[in-house]
Amino acid sequence: NAGVTQTPKFQVLKTGQSMTLQCAQDMNHNSMYWYRQDPGMGLRLIYYSASEGTTDKGEVPNGYNVSRLNKREFSLRLESAAPSQTSVYFCASSEPGERLGEHFGDGTRLSIL
Amino acid sequence: GENVEQHPSTLSVQEGDSAVIKCTYSDSASNYFPWYKQELGKRPQLIIDIRSNVGEKKDQRIAVTLNKTAKHFSLHITETQPEDSAVYFCAARGAAGNKLTFGGGTRVLVKP
Repeated sequence: NAGVTQTPKFQVLKTGQSMTLQCAQDMNHNSMYWYRQDPGMGLRLIYYSASEGTTDKGEVPNGYNVSRLNKREFSLRLESAAPSQTSVYFCASSEPGERLGEHFGDGTRLSIL
Repeated sequence: GENVEQHPSTLSVQEGDSAVIKCTYSDSASNYFPWYKQELGKRPQLIIDIRSNVGEKKDQRIAVTLNKTAKHFSLHITETQPEDSAVYFCAARGAAGNKLTFGGGTRVLVKP
């Protein structure tokens, strides 16, 4: 049982390049989330998907798009990367009513030059 | 939306002493308050949580208290050990949707 799997683990991009971060969960959870964590700071919600077929903006959605491909997979896309998007990105999943935030991926460390 | 503030931002304690981290939240309808421990380079790990119908919860050396009237909740770590050194985050789930808002984090250093 892998839980939440994120790929890639590390990536370096140049300004203006595009990239998709992948996230998959094998717990049959309905809700999935993308957060970013900047150095020395807490996690900020970028986008979330309460259930398959729905997505909603979080606190910091600008510069990102998401796709809930199916119940298992939730991807985050940077269309034109900017240095301000250098961060660690965490994906998470949960089921309403259970302990929220128990299932985080290992993160993707993204640097934009 | 929900706003969560966390204090202090850094906390240094002697091994064996207690550590207390405090958080306040803005949405009076928030109903779930988890705490996370994050070691350097690792994912956040849920260590304890409390729901709005409970005032206090304990799990071995850690405990969380919730004051709904004042809209604040606290994490208490007793008999601290060097392995407790990490960054701790509080969070709150607001009334709208199944999502969390996080505090800014507290870096805890336990000195041997």
